[in-house]
Amino acid sequence: SAVISQKPSRDICQRGTSLTIQCQVDSQVTMMFWYRQQPGQSLTLIATANQGSEATYESGFVIDKFPISRPNLTFSTLTVSNMSPEDSSIYLCSVEDPERGGMDTQYFGPGTRLTVL
Amino acid sequence: SQQGEEDPQALSIQEGENATMNCSYKTSINNLQWYRQNSGRGLVHLILIRSNEREKHSGRLRVTLDTSKKSSSLLITASRAADTASYFCATDPGANNLFFGTGTRLTVIP
Repeated sequence: SAVISQKPSRDICQRGTSLTIQCQVDSQVTMMFWYRQQPGQSLTLIATANQGSEATYESGFVIDKFPISRPNLTFSTLTVSNMSPEDSSIYLCSVEDPERGGMDTQYFGPGTRLTVL
Repeated sequence: SQQGEEDPQALSIQEGENATMNCSYKTSINNLQWYRQNSGRGLVHLILIRSNEREKHSGRLRVTLDTSKKSSSLLITASRAADTASYFCATDPGANNLFFGTGTRLTVIP
């Protein structure tokens, strides 16, 4: 399966600031996804990020708040903008790696634990 | 909402016993997947079952799928303390998006 790393692993930020989370994959993948997991909750898909096109956002998430970059097939960033305490969550990226993991299976990074004060 | 629901929300068993978790969903699916999450960290993919499959095995894991009832179950046999984690089902309606269930917190007591 794909090996995925995220930076930072955790951060504590002040209200009103922005944080950019990086996701690096050890192989070229077409489809990358960003999820949010609020404390004690399940995962919610924020957006799908495919290289060469604009990210597709799920209902309730907007580009101004969560801008995403996907400059190449191994890397993506998610920015959490103008943060508030409600943004405190674990943010996870995932990929589909059909060549190594089969179709439709997603592999997840270790997550970034964000706390907003 | 396309989010699934799992029950029980929490399950505590003795090591060696079997653990069964259930997942119900609302929409038609292409496949259903089960993931494990340790201590709020990244998810580990366990098993994928497609809509035309009824049962699948992987090691100590057994997954069933009943599309007529829109439900799935995950059975972990001969549980170990290392199986302690949260388990999530995730449905794929065919658009490559995963919709996660609410999760079951499993505790295996040594």
